[in-house]
Amino acid sequence: ETGVTQTPRHLVMGMTNKKSLKCEQHLGHNAMYWYKQSAKKPLELMFVYNFKEQTENNSVPSRFSPECPNSSHLFLHLHTLQPEDSALYLCASSQGGLSGTGELFFGEGSRLTVL
Amino acid sequence: GIQVEQSPPDLILQEGANSTLRCNFSDSVNNLQWFHQNPWGQLINLFYIPSGTKQNGRLSATTVATERYSLLYISSSQTTDSGVYFCAVDTGRRALTFGSGTRLQVQP
Repeated sequence: ETGVTQTPRHLVMGMTNKKSLKCEQHLGHNAMYWYKQSAKKPLELMFVYNFKEQTENNSVPSRFSPECPNSSHLFLHLHTLQPEDSALYLCASSQGGLSGTGELFFGEGSRLTVL
Repeated sequence: GIQVEQSPPDLILQEGANSTLRCNFSDSVNNLQWFHQNPWGQLINLFYIPSGTKQNGRLSATTVATERYSLLYISSSQTTDSGVYFCAVDTGRRALTFGSGTRLQVQP
């Protein structure tokens, strides 16, 4: 069982669809993250959750809606996306503390194509 | 915010060659990680290295925090080393800040 699992691995959706990405971590970490990776761009932080509480929203459009029901699960709900939202969405987890983020572990990513 | 610069942006090697990848950062950091992104997109942890030197097989990393840089050494490169190498720094904020990466291609 891998440390961080993402589903689905690939997703194609129309601009009017509603879909969700799921992430589960089996490492006992207290923090979970969504990152976006577009072609030829650095990884962009989207959201951070610490002990289920959202601690960072990096100016992400409201068509992306995160949900963290517990410390092990993280969702990204998608609705009325645009073609420019096509990207690789990466989930990560870490054991954060007073000294910082802690070592980050990533899932395999969900590659999203918006038609 | 902190700036993280990686060099070179692209690197082509023949199998068996050695290489050094560099990561410069503009402010003090609590920690630094190196990742390898494989052709399928997954980011694999290589090193978690706030300072000093660590080695793992053919790879080693050195971070000199006082001078704000880190180096990743790849020796006797193999085709499976191809991919993108990222460094990411932890400034004590809520998440890591990533560099733009070095794209490595190892040719047989």
